[in-house]
Amino acid sequence: QVQLRESGSGLVKPSQTLSLSCAVSGGSISSGAYSWSWIRQPPGKGLEWIGSILHTGNTYYASSLRSRVTISGDWSKNQFSLTVNYVTAADSAVYYCARRPDYGGIDYWGQGTLVTVSS
Amino acid sequence: DIQMTQSPSTLSASVGDRVTITCRASQSFNTLLAWYQQKPGKAPKLLVYGASILDDGVPSRFSGSGSGTEFTLTISSLQPDDFATYYCKQYHSYPLSFGGGTKVEIK
Repeated sequence: QVQLRESGSGLVKPSQTLSLSCAVSGGSISSGAYSWSWIRQPPGKGLEWIGSILHTGNTYYASSLRSRVTISGDWSKNQFSLTVNYVTAADSAVYYCARRPDYGGIDYWGQGTLVTVSS
Repeated sequence: DIQMTQSPSTLSASVGDRVTITCRASQSFNTLLAWYQQKPGKAPKLLVYGASILDDGVPSRFSGSGSGTEFTLTISSLQPDDFATYYCKQYHSYPLSFGGGTKVEIK
């Protein structure tokens, strides 16, 4: 059974850096059949795709966040990470990590972690 | 970038009703579209991928259709467990994108 678990800072000050990690068990992020994504959801609002990393290390980002976001993979630890620079209150959200097979929709999600940007 | 527009944003319906949610894309693509169901405080759950393929274990009252720029999710007979928010998402090309969501409420 594949499991994803987010961890990281739950409270970040404005203008600082948000850092989250997603530990994957029951499957390898090195597998060529999947991409690994970060998705967020501000309180009471809809889902926003942030970006994805492939087994090749290639990354793709939302246009609105590309200048501030980095997704990286640690293949030895079987985890991938998200950093968002220069955060503002608008970055406050539940952040999910997720797995998507190449052929379809996201089949496994983390439980989500709430990140609040506040001084 | 492909923009996904869902309608309606809110839908009030009764148990047993037939419900249809529409997702329109700003650019045409084939069938690389998924539908998700989300309940409060939970991660979304995959219902449909490939525009019309039900994920394992999804009840047959759910169906998806469409291609090009218009896609629909239909619930043939709404059940109490179906009151939730539904999202479409295109995975035809990066950057990926979600629709704004449709909240299905009890009438």
